[in-house]
Amino acid sequence: KNEVEQSPQNLTAQEGEFITINCSYSVGISALHWLQQHPGGGIVSLFMLSSGKKKHGRLIATINIQEKHSSLHITASHPRDSAVYICAVAPLTSGTYKYIFGTGTRLKVLA
Amino acid sequence: SQTIHQWPATLVQPVGSPLSLECTVEGTSNPNLYWYRQAAGRGLQLLFYSVGIGQISSEVPQNLSASRPQDRQFILSSKKLLLSDSGFYLCAWSRGSGANVLTFGAGSRLTVL
Repeated sequence: KNEVEQSPQNLTAQEGEFITINCSYSVGISALHWLQQHPGGGIVSLFMLSSGKKKHGRLIATINIQEKHSSLHITASHPRDSAVYICAVAPLTSGTYKYIFGTGTRLKVLA
Repeated sequence: SQTIHQWPATLVQPVGSPLSLECTVEGTSNPNLYWYRQAAGRGLQLLFYSVGIGQISSEVPQNLSASRPQDRQFILSSKKLLLSDSGFYLCAWSRGSGANVLTFGAGSRLTVL
C-alpha cells in the first residue's frame, strides 16, 4: 500500500462542475502540498497546508490531520483546469527533504 | 522574485553515452535543491537533495550522480546511460529548514535509445 493514495485516478467533468480530489496518507506529517502538473510537464505549487483550509480563487484545499486526509476542490471548473493534480506530504520524520508523492489525479474538463 | 531554470528540456541519448542536466536558481541564497524523476504512472521519486555547496544526499542506488558546484547550481550526471534512465527529470528548490514550498523547474525529458 502506498503511503499517499489519491482518488480518483482519472476524472472527467463538464465545464462548471464542482470537483473534488482526495488524498489519504498513512504517516505523520508536518505539511501537505497540492501540486498541478500541466500537459507539458511543468509542476506548479497550488497550496501548502498543515491544518484547516486554504482558498485561492476557485481552488480550495482542506486538511484533517487526525484523519490523515486532504481534499482539493475546484469550483466552477473550466477546461483550463485540465491537468494532473498531485498530493505530496512532508513526513514528520524527514521533513521537506523527503516529500512522498501520490501518483496524481488526471482531470479533464470538457467544454 | 525567485526563478528556477532547468535545461535541456528534451534530449535523446544512446545507451552508454554521458548525461548532464543542469539547474540554476535565481533570487535566493542557500536553497535546498532536489532532483526528482517521474516515471509513467508513478509518483515523483526523489533522487538527490542538497542543503549546501558540495553536500549531496542520494536517495536511491542508481546510475546517476549529482553535484552542487555553486550555491544555486545543481547538476545531474551519468557517465554511461542505461535504457532504464529514460524518464522525466525535475529539479526543485525550497527554502532552508522546516516544511517549505517546493518550486519546480520545467523538467527535462530524457529518452535513452
